[in-house]
Amino acid sequence: AQSVTQLDSQVPVFEEAPVELRCNYSSSVSVYLFWYVQYPNQGLQLLLKYLSGSTLVKGINGFEAEFNKSQTSFHLRKPSVHISDTAEYFCAVLNSGGYQKVTFGTGTKLQVIP
Amino acid sequence: GAGVSQSPSNKVTEKGKDVELRCDPISGHTALYWYRQSLGQGLEFLIYFQGNSAPDKSGLPSDRFSAERTGGSVSTLTIQRTQQEDSAVYLCASSLFVGELFFGEGSRLTVL
Repeated sequence: AQSVTQLDSQVPVFEEAPVELRCNYSSSVSVYLFWYVQYPNQGLQLLLKYLSGSTLVKGINGFEAEFNKSQTSFHLRKPSVHISDTAEYFCAVLNSGGYQKVTFGTGTKLQVIP
Repeated sequence: GAGVSQSPSNKVTEKGKDVELRCDPISGHTALYWYRQSLGQGLEFLIYFQGNSAPDKSGLPSDRFSAERTGGSVSTLTIQRTQQEDSAVYLCASSLFVGELFFGEGSRLTVL
């Protein structure tokens, strides 16, 4: 079975500072990895995805994430955050090789401080 | 609209009553998911439909929960004899491509 761990439930960061939101996964097979974002009072939307190829993937709003197979991690980064990045971020994993459920982490609330 | 539609957006019910939550996925999407979002619990997987295959019901928390998907489109999540711990936001998502889920706004259930 697959699982996702997001160790940080909340991350406060000052505006224009860099941020890293951590995600670790567990699976016995190869995986696809995703980050979703939920802005206040809105539905979840896909931020970026890793399916194969380059381990550094870029998403919307200047976010990027790097797949590290040896560390089973998929941390999300942004070099300079904006107030509008305040949201909850969810890491998700899907076992590759077939139609299966997507498993989400517990989420990390990013609070950008002006 | 072109997105995933869920109804009702809010539902307040009394303990012991049955509730039905509806999801209209994006047309043509073959996969449909139900998740439950509670404070501090993230997104808890409930059930997954893929085309005509048997659904993955492994996340349903008890036999009070059931879901069906009619004609490969609309889905209904039914909770029988609701309990206070069932209070949460129930999210529906549909997908055509691997892992790319499109979520609805959710149905907020409050059990008094």
